[in-house]
Amino acid sequence: ETGVTQSPTHLIKTRGQQVTLRCSSQSGHNTVSWYQQALGQGPQFIFQYYREEENGRGNFPPRFSGLQFPNYSSELNVNALELDDSAPYLCASSIDPLVTQYFGPGTRLTVL
Amino acid sequence: KNEVEQSPQNLTAQEGEFITINCSYSVGISALHWLQQHPGGGIVSLFMLSSGKKKHGRLIATINIQEKHSSLHITASHPRDSAVYICAVSSYNNNDMRFGAGTRLTVKP
Repeated sequence: ETGVTQSPTHLIKTRGQQVTLRCSSQSGHNTVSWYQQALGQGPQFIFQYYREEENGRGNFPPRFSGLQFPNYSSELNVNALELDDSAPYLCASSIDPLVTQYFGPGTRLTVL
Repeated sequence: KNEVEQSPQNLTAQEGEFITINCSYSVGISALHWLQQHPGGGIVSLFMLSSGKKKHGRLIATINIQEKHSSLHITASHPRDSAVYICAVSSYNNNDMRFGAGTRLTVKP
């Protein structure tokens, strides 16, 4: 039990739609990172937020965007969904970027 | 070539065996992480290390910065150790992590 929760657990969308995934971090965790876990691969870094500002971004297109809120929750938004966006999405939080991250259970997104 | 390579990809062991999983990386890092993911479960951080060795119970993680190599050892393996073990590295500015593809460990009773 890491204290990091994600919602929803599963989600089905159709191509072209928009989706918002949510993550609730442990209290005091100022850093949240989002990852996409493609089938058979390790997680791929999408972006990181630190103190409500984007602190780094991986190789994902601009239709992947995020927000971090003062109450230690965050969102991952994906616009214009594509079939290849189907994957589990993980968030991970930590007190700051320099220490161990705690992973949430993930949201499994299916795009039809 | 991936920046983080793990070996083996799959590993099957008998209960009680000593297990070693290897990780090599090709980028500069500030820290290396070993993570565990049980089937259908979330990812749990086992170790975060930047030098030397760390031990927690039956798990030992080592890192050689000069050789850009880390190993995760499991002593007296148990079926409950069956999981995917993932090696990941943090970049120098700590704002991203690069992950290996994982090693799927199965420990048979």
